[in-house]
Amino acid sequence: GQNIDQPTEMTATEGAIVQINCTYQTSGFNGLFWYQQHAGEAPTFLSYNVLDGLEEKGRFSSFLSRSKGYSYLLLKELQMKDSASYLCAVRDSNYQLIWGAGTKLIIKP
Amino acid sequence: TAGITQAPTSQILAAGRSMTLRCTQDMRHNAMYWYRQDLGLGLRLIHYSNTAGTTGKGEVPDGYSVSRANTDDFPLTLASAVPSQTSVYFCASSDSGGAGANVLTFGAGSRLTVL
Repeated sequence: GQNIDQPTEMTATEGAIVQINCTYQTSGFNGLFWYQQHAGEAPTFLSYNVLDGLEEKGRFSSFLSRSKGYSYLLLKELQMKDSASYLCAVRDSNYQLIWGAGTKLIIKP
Repeated sequence: TAGITQAPTSQILAAGRSMTLRCTQDMRHNAMYWYRQDLGLGLRLIHYSNTAGTTGKGEVPDGYSVSRANTDDFPLTLASAVPSQTSVYFCASSDSGGAGANVLTFGAGSRLTVL
């Protein structure tokens, strides 16, 4: 079966750095997405990786290793507004998105 | 503001009743999707439409139906609601489906409780 694994919850301190991991086992691979979802709101797009390596976008970076079935989202200089759930999704060989259950990130002052 | 509008925001429904969740987008996106989100689970695709006039079944289609009469609207109907359909429903769109599928834009969600 297809599976996306992420930690359920993580806690970090304001101003620090946090890495959220995502491992996947899917039927084929056509890209990996990270979305941010604040409580009670819609998911919003953060990043997209289709080739191995690091994609940097401001305070957020996303890394992909296709051979390891692994990605991480790196958040730097954490702010209280970064408290949210972070969803990892993989597009399979049929171009359907398979979603992880999300990682709830709690930021403490 | 361009985007996706969902209605209603929330609804309590008696089991056995029918319900239509409305979704309208103004971005002229070709592809539209309905997901449900349940605690501890990833988003699960119910139905999708790659272009107006076509629809397809997702991972959890049973008990739901959709139509896509035009580009902008993609309503989701529950013919006879059951308690297991209690969930938060998200409508989403992208500029194309299939091989060209890109970033999804989501609506604000509809919280449905079936008693």
